[in-house]
Amino acid sequence: AQRVTQPEKLLSVFKGAPVELKCNYSYSGSPELFWYVQYSRQRLQLLLRHISRESIKGFTADLNKGETSFHLKKPFAQEEDSAMYYCALRVTGANNLFFGTGTRLTVIP
Amino acid sequence: GAGVSQTPSNKVTEKGKYVELRCDPISGHTALYWYRQSLGQGPEFLIYFQGTGAADDSGLPNDRFFAVRPEGSVSTLKIQRTERGDSAVYLCASSPGISYNSPLHFGNGTRLTVT
Repeated sequence: AQRVTQPEKLLSVFKGAPVELKCNYSYSGSPELFWYVQYSRQRLQLLLRHISRESIKGFTADLNKGETSFHLKKPFAQEEDSAMYYCALRVTGANNLFFGTGTRLTVIP
Repeated sequence: GAGVSQTPSNKVTEKGKYVELRCDPISGHTALYWYRQSLGQGPEFLIYFQGTGAADDSGLPNDRFFAVRPEGSVSTLKIQRTERGDSAVYLCASSPGISYNSPLHFGNGTRLTVT
C-alpha cells in the first residue's frame, strides 16, 4: 500500500539558514508527488509538484526514486515561510491524494 | 474569483445526531473531493466525484458516511449517528479535471465537534 512519511512534526530554523523538509514515500508504481502548504489562517494550497521541476517561492524538491524521497529545500529561509507543509502522493490511475502528517516550519527572526 | 466555499465553518453536535456539511466548488470545476483531517494528522481521503457520480468512495470509513453531488456542482457530506471519533476538520477540494495539471483547490474546512 502507498504511504507518505514526514518524520519531523516540528522544524525550526533561523532566518537566512537553509531548510530541508523531509518526505519519504512507499509505492511500487510510478508516483506523482506534491508539496502543499498551509499558512496561518489560510487554506491548504499547492506549493509545487515534481513533474514541473519548478521553483516556487525559492523552494525546490527533487524526486529521488532510489531513496523514495521528495524532500523540500530552500537555501535561505524567510520568516514568511513559517507554515505547515504537507507532502502528498498520487498513485497511477487514481485521482485522490495521500498526505503525510505534515511538518510545521518555524523561521526564527 | 471565489474559491471553494464550505459551510458551516464550525458545527457542534451531540453524539448520535445527524449532520450535513456543504461544499460549493469553484465554478466550472468538474472534480470534487472530500477529505477529513484529525488533530495532528494530514488530510485523509474520503470520496471524490467526477461530475454527479462518486468515482471513488473507498475512503469513507463506514456506512454512516454518505455524500451526494446531485447536479454536479454543490456537494453535501452526510454523517448519520455521529460519534465522538468523527470530530475532525472536513475539507472539500475541487479541480478543473482529473489530470495531473489539475491541482486541488481546498476550502477552509468545516470543524465538526461531536460532544
